[in-house]
Amino acid sequence: EVQLVESGGGLVQPGGSLRLSCAASGFTFSRYWMNWIRQAPGKGLEWVANIQQGGSAKNYVDSVKGRFTISRDDAKNSLYLQMNSLRAEDTAVYYCARDPRGAPNFDYWGQGTLVTVSS
Amino acid sequence: AIQLTQSPSSLSASIGDRVTITCRASQGIASALAWYQQKPGKAPNLLIYDASSLESGVPSRFSGSGSGTDFTLTISSLQPEDFATYYCQHFNSYPITFGQGTRLEIK
Repeated sequence: EVQLVESGGGLVQPGGSLRLSCAASGFTFSRYWMNWIRQAPGKGLEWVANIQQGGSAKNYVDSVKGRFTISRDDAKNSLYLQMNSLRAEDTAVYYCARDPRGAPNFDYWGQGTLVTVSS
Repeated sequence: AIQLTQSPSSLSASIGDRVTITCRASQGIASALAWYQQKPGKAPNLLIYDASSLESGVPSRFSGSGSGTDFTLTISSLQPEDFATYYCQHFNSYPITFGQGTRLEIK
């Protein structure tokens, strides 16, 4: 059974940093593009970033470029999102999601981890 | 960035109704569109990819059509478990974007 489990969310002050993790199981993690997608409270979905198999290619939404870094450790079956210079508008539930076909679209999602940026 | 506009933003329907949700892209995206269903407090669930391909395990009452700029998601006969919010998503180019969502409620 495919499982994605996020962790690392919490309350952080504006300007602070946080590192999210996503532990994958039930599939060959190294073979897939992986993504972070977020959803602000009561709002719609926003794709944040993705990373190719092996980590050679990464893409970001403009609003996080230069502040967020996506990475992966295939030996640990884990995906990460390092978030720096956090802003109130980064407050959201952050989901990791698998891209089944390199399209990208998203067939398996984690349960999400809440990041709250507030003083 | 390509913008996706869904209509309607919300609708009320009854069990057994046929429902259509529309997604319009701000520029042509060929068939690079997916549809998701999201229930409160849960992660989204992929329904349709490549505009019209049904994801494995998704009931056949869901179907998608369209190409270029205009797309539709159709539910042929609404079931109680279908009341949720639906999102379209393009993957034609970066950044990937989602529509604003369509909330489907029980009449």
